[in-house]
Amino acid sequence: QQQVKQSPQSLIVQKGGISIINCAYENTAFDYFPWYQQFPGKGPALLIAIRPDVSEKKEGRFTISFNKSAKQFSLHIMDSQPGDSATYFCAASKGGFQKLVFGTGTRLLVSP
Amino acid sequence: ETGVTQTPRHLVMGMTNKKSLKCEQHLGHNAMYWYKQSAKKPLELMFVYNFKEQTENNSVPSRFSPECPNSSHLFLHLHTLQPEDSALYLCASSHSPGAGYNEQFFGPGTRLTVL
Repeated sequence: QQQVKQSPQSLIVQKGGISIINCAYENTAFDYFPWYQQFPGKGPALLIAIRPDVSEKKEGRFTISFNKSAKQFSLHIMDSQPGDSATYFCAASKGGFQKLVFGTGTRLLVSP
Repeated sequence: ETGVTQTPRHLVMGMTNKKSLKCEQHLGHNAMYWYKQSAKKPLELMFVYNFKEQTENNSVPSRFSPECPNSSHLFLHLHTLQPEDSALYLCASSHSPGAGYNEQFFGPGTRLTVL
């Protein structure tokens, strides 16, 4: 299976709160799991990515948690800010990163 | 111009028209991609080019015809499209496999409406 299932479809978080977006995959051959951020009128931009040899990766306020046995990974946005309001996509690929399989996206709104 | 640019940004066409989308990357990459983004659906990879050669065609209907004259330019020629082809078409570029870490950089997309 090539699908990546993403939830929730939309999310409202208060400023300063934690935003959590979850993804699950089927293909155990996937070895690269990026998260993309997309603002209206813009293309997706890489936010953070993880390989399955680690269980967590943190960059600033953004953290990926990876559970290989459960075939799940999640994005945590700490101290969420209104400027984080965007659509977030998880993705996965195997060997070479070229065939990215994307989730359906989560529209995040951070209220002031 | 920097990054990945796409023209036009918006396009409205009839089902019998022929039009082309253009993508240009200024990042020195050798791989280019076309994606289709529809509401509430995952981004769908359509085509991949490495060093001007098509290496991936994800079962795309023949009414979409890609062209990659060099590593910096990518076109998507459109003809006899259907209303369900209305979507945001995204171009991306990256280094080719074997060049290490090859993040894909996306352009802003062309919003296509087929009447």
